[in-house]
Amino acid sequence: IQMTQSPSSLSASVGDRVTITCRASENIFTYLNWYQQKIGKAPKVLIYAASSLQSGVPSRFSGSGSGTDFTLTISSLQSEDFATYYCGQSYATPYTFGQGTKLEIK
Amino acid sequence: QVQLVQSGAELRKPAASVRVSCKASGYSFTDYHIHWLRQAPGQGLQWMGRINPNSGGIDYAQKFQGRVTMTRDTSITTAYMELSRLTSDDTAIYYCARGMTTVSSGAHFDYWGQGALVTVSS
Repeated sequence: IQMTQSPSSLSASVGDRVTITCRASENIFTYLNWYQQKIGKAPKVLIYAASSLQSGVPSRFSGSGSGTDFTLTISSLQSEDFATYYCGQSYATPYTFGQGTKLEIK
Repeated sequence: QVQLVQSGAELRKPAASVRVSCKASGYSFTDYHIHWLRQAPGQGLQWMGRINPNSGGIDYAQKFQGRVTMTRDTSITTAYMELSRLTSDDTAIYYCARGMTTVSSGAHFDYWGQGALVTVSS
């Protein structure tokens, strides 16, 4: 299953609302997870099952979608949110990921 | 607290093999699958496969079939990933991750090891 994210990079300011999209090449229902990765660190799960917030993750992060189209929204960017974000499908093995969206400070 | 602690960086020559370990603590080791993923320099995430520590059952990505072996030792709550016939394309950070399975999400990776850099160079 191919996962396509857009945009591949994004410049935004603290306080902005940001949306990242992810498209699957076939129906994956809600088997979609979002990860955040900071430089030199392992990824961290933010959202699982398309819209469930992982414990401990700030509520400014939210996810939506089902089938083939999904979004990750950050309602008000904080400085610690500048990172690379990956969507990943867990509907069928091999589990696959989008190419990543690098979120940079404007 | 849940922790996955991986072995250190490795340098190998082409055609050699490498084994990376992943020591789990803070939870019941046999209750969750361990997944292995890798990330080449500047690239995205690639899933390699998973092992069920309870049964030893494995599921490898086809890309790595024949070259990867995943095992576990429940007595020391450690999982292992061995990759053989290395080439420069295998240079990457290798991660282990715990798979949390829910009805509506399949498996998502809720805890990760710190990563182990494997460099393949002559």
